[in-house]
Amino acid sequence: DSGVTQTPKHLITATGQRVTLRCSPRSGDLSVYWYQQSLDQGLQFLIQYYNGEERAKGNILERFSAQQFPDLHSELNLSSLELGDSALYFCASSVVEYPYEQYFGPGTRLTVT
Amino acid sequence: AQKVTQAQTEISVVEKEDVTLDCVYETRDTTYYLFWYKQPPSGELVFLIRRNSFDEQNEISGRYSWNFQKSTSSFNFTITASQVVDSAVYFCALLDSNYQLIWGAGTKLIIKP
Repeated sequence: DSGVTQTPKHLITATGQRVTLRCSPRSGDLSVYWYQQSLDQGLQFLIQYYNGEERAKGNILERFSAQQFPDLHSELNLSSLELGDSALYFCASSVVEYPYEQYFGPGTRLTVT
Repeated sequence: AQKVTQAQTEISVVEKEDVTLDCVYETRDTTYYLFWYKQPPSGELVFLIRRNSFDEQNEISGRYSWNFQKSTSSFNFTITASQVVDSAVYFCALLDSNYQLIWGAGTKLIIKP
């Protein structure tokens, strides 16, 4: 158990809908990262927050957004969902932003039908 | 461009055999960090090791060992006396100066009893 929690574990929704994925980092970790893992794209970095501020952006679509709250938990919002958004979404956390190892949550499996 | 290549898509060995997973990276950064993660069938990503670019010492942790060679831009991972529990997908990743983890495609390791 990495200490990073993610909810929900599974999510099934329809195209065009909006969902929110939630992540709580390990105690003491200030940095949160979001990743998408799909069969065709592999593991891709989406976005990073450090102590409430956005620090880096990767291959995140405009339909997706995230934020980190004062209590350091983070939410990833996915809107206007398409079939291709079906994937495993991971949250990770680290003590500081760079260059320490990231500890991953169990992931949220999103299925868009 | 930053890139991580894991040329071995799948490796299958019999228990107790030694196995080496290859990782080759490309980066223009002089300071960078390399990681290995394990993804067992349960799906979570488990941190194994972090290595920085100015430390070329090999690392051994139990049955696991890592060989980092800057001259060939490789960071290979060897499991000695493999066990069925080692069956998983193993990812090599590069952390660049933009705070992004760039992932290899992963190597699926199957250990047969």
